[in-house]
Amino acid sequence: DQQVKQNSPSLSVQEGRISILNCDYTNSMFDYFLWYKKYPAEGPTFLISISSIKDKNEDGRFTVFLNKSAKHLSLHIVPSQPGDSAVYFCAANRHQFYFGTGTSLTVIP
Amino acid sequence: SQTIHQWPATLVQPVGSPLSLECTVEGTSNPNLYWYRQAAGRGLQLLFYSVGIGQISSEVPQNLSASRPQDRQFILSSKKLLLSDSGFYLCAWSVSWGPSTNEKLFFGSGTQLSVL
Repeated sequence: DQQVKQNSPSLSVQEGRISILNCDYTNSMFDYFLWYKKYPAEGPTFLISISSIKDKNEDGRFTVFLNKSAKHLSLHIVPSQPGDSAVYFCAANRHQFYFGTGTSLTVIP
Repeated sequence: SQTIHQWPATLVQPVGSPLSLECTVEGTSNPNLYWYRQAAGRGLQLLFYSVGIGQISSEVPQNLSASRPQDRQFILSSKKLLLSDSGFYLCAWSVSWGPSTNEKLFFGSGTQLSVL
């Protein structure tokens, strides 16, 4: 049972434009959400997180939005850069970490 | 600062052979330790986690086992590998464990296992 879902397996964006990666979850008890970035043949690295008491968290070019009523979060990257090309995993934490299946982002120069 | 070491980086093994992947964490005490697998084209699947020495919880019944002989050492093993064991294996650690934790998960560099 996939409690965290990323329904878009891939996304292509032009350099300089905004990248929006989406994530949905089913368990309303989740109270902490994370985004990880993964390059091929490397371990995922932590990117940004948000607590359920907030609806937005920003760190440089990266912003995560949380809509608890819709059980939806999104990661915005502005402006997108070629180095952002990677697989992005959404995760939720309650007793353990639940990961989505990932979205492969390609930023086209 | 904390670091996590995982080896080997790549491994090619024949079907039926044994497996041992090792992971160690430095710079922290009593970490929670995890083994994940990323199969081709799929997400991160939690295989095992451990909250202390000798304490192993299995998430998915399978051909693999895990052990934690020391506080900061986590080992993934198999007696006889199957073709379906191929994948990218990741060790990870976190600081705390609780109902409302804001802790992060930190990953090792991964092991690409190919079973032929």
